[in-house]
Amino acid sequence: GQQLNQSPQSMFIQEGEDVSMNCTSSSIFNTWLWYKQDPGEGPVLLIALYKAGELTSNGRLTAQFGITRKDSFLNISASIPSDVGIYFCAGRLGGSNYKLTFGKGTLLTVNP
Amino acid sequence: DADVTQTPRNRITKTGKRIMLECSQTKGHDRMYWYRQDPGLGLRLIYYSFDVKDINKGEISDGYSVSRQAQAKFSLSLESAIPNQTALYFCATASQGNTEAFFGQGTRLTVV
Repeated sequence: GQQLNQSPQSMFIQEGEDVSMNCTSSSIFNTWLWYKQDPGEGPVLLIALYKAGELTSNGRLTAQFGITRKDSFLNISASIPSDVGIYFCAGRLGGSNYKLTFGKGTLLTVNP
Repeated sequence: DADVTQTPRNRITKTGKRIMLECSQTKGHDRMYWYRQDPGLGLRLIYYSFDVKDINKGEISDGYSVSRQAQAKFSLSLESAIPNQTALYFCATASQGNTEAFFGQGTRLTVV
């Protein structure tokens, strides 16, 4: 199956710092999604990207669809304690295939 | 009330037992998915369905079966549970032609 390489695997930062994480693939994706999972909960969609080069923000979160269509980035500015959780990227290949391939996740810990 | 509801939320079962996990949704979505989450491995697709009676294998379907008898319900069965099926299981839904998936709160299954 398709592989998504998500990095870093984990991050431990101080409150107020900015955070960056990314996903790369050997395949070209038509859609990139970023999810956040709080402890004990299901993943919640943060940002959806549909076009190469697209840059989309959701509050303090900004995500970009890479020009090569093989990568995507998520940035969180001025982190706060409630940003703690696991962040997943997910990608969809083109055509009628609506299956998502997920990265392995980035565990974010924010120290107050 | 949650749009995607999974029952039970937690279950401990013995090796060899049959167990069914239920998922129901009020979003009116055609597409439903079952994922498995293991620490450090992200979310892996078990089965998916694009309509009633439509069943498709995901990347890790061995040892599992599913049933989609109604648009709003998608159940996952383990015919004979084994310890390495201990994991967090998520149901997700998506509307036709849409990549964005919405997740339930998960079922934590422990096979002893």
